Order: sequence, then structure tokens, then C-alpha cells
Amino acid sequence: EPEVTQTPSHQVTQMGQEVILRCVPISNHLYFYWYRQILGQKVEFLVSFYNNEISEKSEIFDDQFSVERPDGSNFTLKIRSTKLEDSAMYFCASSPAAVGYGYTFGSGTRLTVV
Amino acid sequence: TQLLEQSPQFLSIQEGENLTVYCNSSSVFSSLQWYRQEPGEGPVLLVTVVTGGEVKKLKRLTFQFGDARKDSSLHITAAQPGDTGLYLCAGDYNQGGKLIFGQGTELSVKP
Repeated sequence: EPEVTQTPSHQVTQMGQEVILRCVPISNHLYFYWYRQILGQKVEFLVSFYNNEISEKSEIFDDQFSVERPDGSNFTLKIRSTKLEDSAMYFCASSPAAVGYGYTFGSGTRLTVV
Repeated sequence: TQLLEQSPQFLSIQEGENLTVYCNSSSVFSSLQWYRQEPGEGPVLLVTVVTGGEVKKLKRLTFQFGDARKDSSLHITAAQPGDTGLYLCAGDYNQGGKLIFGQGTELSVKP
């Protein structure tokens, strides 16, 4: 069964530092997403990416966040200057089409900002 | 702002009982997905429903999409301890952008 792979599984960083979360989506999928889940809260949408550009982003996804698909296989989320409130599980997901197929999520990166 | 209300939030039942989880919104979905999430893991897709009135079955799980595409339900027949977990519904309102997640139903099935 194809998987979405995320690295690292855990990351601890100091406030103000930059972090890059990495994802390898399923190879024939076209739509890519980042979601986050703060402990005990709902899964929240951050950004969707299609055809090498952002197709939609949430209010959470401010100027401190960026995404990139540098080489056709990796999909990265960068947080430029982390804040305490960025501590959460970050999930990457991919889908073969816009509607009707559901997403395949990765196992997540637990980010702790201290 | 689209909201997706999921109920109940917690459910504790005995093995062999039936249960239903509900997912409701005031907005129309393009599609609705049900996921199961284990602690510390990502959501795992159970089913996607797209057509109003659609019913899909996955072993003892039956998923229904409302005729107006504003609500959905998950029914589990003869629950087993292995069904214990967090069940999430998620709606796609604009065909391929963001999913709006419900707050989840924490199911505990006791032997």
C-alpha cells in the first residue's frame, strides 16, 4: 500500500528558529496538503498545493509559513521563525484528484517549540 | 465560515452493541470523508461519499450521505474492541481545497 512519508517524526526547536518539515507524497498523486493538529483540538487545514503552486491557504498560513516542492518528489513546509503556539502535530497529505478520492495522510511530525 | 458538528464526542459501549455517529453542517459538501485516527498517528481514510443519498458499506461499518449533502452518519454494527479509536468526519466544500474536520468521536468498546 503506497504511503505518505514524513520526516522527522519529532522535532524540538527553540522559539525563533526556522524549521523545515519534509514529506514524500504518493508518487502519482497531484494534490498536496499540510494540516496541523494542536493537542486535543481539531485537525486544521494549512495549505493546499497543485501544479507547483499554492491553490488555497488558511489564515494560519501567514508570512512565516512557506511550502515548496523542490524536486518533484519532496514536499516541504517551512516555518521561518517558530513561536510557542506553533507546537502541534503537522500532517502532510496527498490525493490523486480534487474530488472523490479522499486523502492519504502521513504519520505526522510532532513539533515542539520551547 | 463552514462548521462541521460531529456527535457524540465520546461513546463508551459494550462489545456487540450498535452505534451511530453523526456529522452535520449548514453548508453543502462537495464530498465527505470519514477517517479513523490512532493516538500519535495521521488520520486513515475509511470512505469518501460524493453523491447525495449515497450509502457505502465497509464490513460492519455503514456510511450514509444525506440527500442534501449537508450531513452524514457512520453506523457500526456489533461493535468489537478493535473498533476502539477516534473517528473523524471531514467535509470538502469547494472541490479540492481544504477539508473541514469535525471534532471527532472517541469510541471505546469494552469486551
